[in-house]
Amino acid sequence: AQSVTQPDIHITVSEGASLELRCNYSYGATPYLFWYVQSPGQGLQLLLKYFSGDTLVQGIKGFEAEFKRSQSSFNLRKPSVHWSDAAEYFCAVGAGGFTGGGNKLTFGTGTQLKVEL
Amino acid sequence: DTGVSQDPRHKITKRGQNVTFRCDPISEHNRLYWYRQTLGQGPEFLTYFQNEAQLEKSRLLSDRFSAERPKGSFSTLEIQRTEQGDSAMYLCASSTQQGQPQHFGDGTRLSIL
Repeated sequence: AQSVTQPDIHITVSEGASLELRCNYSYGATPYLFWYVQSPGQGLQLLLKYFSGDTLVQGIKGFEAEFKRSQSSFNLRKPSVHWSDAAEYFCAVGAGGFTGGGNKLTFGTGTQLKVEL
Repeated sequence: DTGVSQDPRHKITKRGQNVTFRCDPISEHNRLYWYRQTLGQGPEFLTYFQNEAQLEKSRLLSDRFSAERPKGSFSTLEIQRTEQGDSAMYLCASSTQQGQPQHFGDGTRLSIL
């Protein structure tokens, strides 16, 4: 069974500082990996995705993530955080390749980001 | 691309009542997913449709829950005899095909009195 661990429940950074949110996944084969962001009372917005190929993927809003198979990690990074980045961030894994299944997503418990001005 | 639309945004009901939620996916998306999110947790998969066929259901989907997608377009999720534990955000997502990113709606927040 696939699973995702986001070890940091809350993170606080100062505006302009760099950010790294951690994500570790468990999946037996090649995974599809995603980062989503959720503002209070809203749905989830896709930040970026990894399917295959280049292990460093670029997303929207200046975010990037690096897939490290040896560490089963897919950490999200941003060089300079803006106050508007304050939100909850979810890492998710889906079955990669053709599984004949629905490619449902398994989410981590999320990391709440607070940005200090 | 008008996005995934969910209705209502909020639903307050008494325990024991039935409730129904609607999801309109992005028009060209043939896959539709339902998730449930409780406070402080990530979304949990409930069920998924490819066109009108319901192809997978989670063990979280008790027999009080039923989902339909009669014409392969919009979907409904019904909860019968609601319980306190059903209080959650119910999220709908859609995608074009397996592995493609799922696009989420803003959810329906269900509160059980």
